[in-house]
Amino acid sequence: GAGVSQSPSNKVTEKGKDVELRCDPISGHTALYWYRQRLGQGLEFLIYFQGNSAPDKSGLPSDRFSAERTGESVSTLTIQRTQQEDSAVYLCASSLWTGGTGELFFGEGSRLTVL
Amino acid sequence: GDSVTQMEGPVTLSEEACLTINCTYTATGYPSLFWYVQYPGEGLQLLLKATKADDKGSNKGFEATYRKETTSFHLEKGSVQVSDSAVYFCALKDNFNKFYFGSGTKLNVKP
Repeated sequence: GAGVSQSPSNKVTEKGKDVELRCDPISGHTALYWYRQRLGQGLEFLIYFQGNSAPDKSGLPSDRFSAERTGESVSTLTIQRTQQEDSAVYLCASSLWTGGTGELFFGEGSRLTVL
Repeated sequence: GDSVTQMEGPVTLSEEACLTINCTYTATGYPSLFWYVQYPGEGLQLLLKATKADDKGSNKGFEATYRKETTSFHLEKGSVQVSDSAVYFCALKDNFNKFYFGSGTKLNVKP
């Protein structure tokens, strides 16, 4: 596709359930990022994939959060045993590896509501 | 580690007023600098960028100059419009392709 695609766009779940969020980056983009944006807040870094390198997981808030990416394609962010504080918009973004000059392209986000 | 600090909002201005949103950064190495904008109900999109010291990024009447000596990248516009109401994020990209974002500054422009 032309842009970064995320699904679902909206997800309502009950506390304690697991959720999976999907991100399709722009074709050819080697870097993929997940951010969390709580209502009225800034962007909270979660995880970063760059090509075949080990991902930078330093932003994952707890072991309930995990993410995978196969090669340079789709990524899934999984939240296990969801809590109300997980309610937020989860943003995915991708970029080319350009040695520092390339921009990030964001998806529309997946809005997660945990009841 | 690298970081970005930007002025807290909200910033409320009347139409045609002059805008400055301050952004300073801390980085080891030679980052690229960006301003992203998030209009109400929309996703983040790139507003402008600068990739080296003294570069000026510009778009839609907005400008920002990469100042290495003051580690700053302040966003400016001479005359804001109601349609500029949005949240503005300053960001840096380090030499490892990792992005760091500021906390965002909400701009409200009144007619």
